[in-house]
Amino acid sequence: IAGITQAPTSQILAAGRRMTLRCTQDMRHNAMYWYRQDLGLGLRLIHYSNTAGTTGKGEVPDGYSVSRANTDDFPLTLASAVPSQTSVYFCASSDGAATTGELFFGEGSRLTVL
Amino acid sequence: GQNIDQPTEMTATEGAIVQINCTYQTSGFNGLFWYQQHAGEAPTFLSYNVLDGLEEKGRFSSFLSRSKGYSYLLLKELQMKDSASYLCAVKDSNYQLIWGAGTKLIIKP
Repeated sequence: IAGITQAPTSQILAAGRRMTLRCTQDMRHNAMYWYRQDLGLGLRLIHYSNTAGTTGKGEVPDGYSVSRANTDDFPLTLASAVPSQTSVYFCASSDGAATTGELFFGEGSRLTVL
Repeated sequence: GQNIDQPTEMTATEGAIVQINCTYQTSGFNGLFWYQQHAGEAPTFLSYNVLDGLEEKGRFSSFLSRSKGYSYLLLKELQMKDSASYLCAVKDSNYQLIWGAGTKLIIKP
């Protein structure tokens, strides 16, 4: 089934540990995004990539890094997790940032940092 | 700053009509989106407006007034499965999406 796959679905992590959330899409979309969703707040953009080989910072990039080695994969890394990074993380893709294309979301990764 | 406002929660009755409003203040405008998100699931696309007026898609319609910075999502013939959060988002001048916090819609029998 075409779409976006995220892993893991859920994870409990000790503070200070390193964690990578994986995201893979098979729609050949150019643009990919990482959002976090917290209760009472809108989706907040962490990092984005308009095309393979390029990345950019979103609204809340601190403590996170991304890479875009190819079109399909867009992993998000927390170098040293802190409790404030407890959230639900969504990966999304679209056919281009400047188009009217809708975003397609993965099912989310629920991360708890203790 | 950029801001998207929508009601936190609304309640409606099965079979009725409900209108969810969204007002926005953004640096530039390149379209407005509505997404539906069921609890514990990913958001899914409902509608897109870039020109003023009403876009109808089955039981759902979306309206835009760019001069007023205003949109609404109209849901007709409400069904229990419409219980979800509805997210309003605007693409700004940099083509970045600015998201509202969402409106939780509760449908009662």
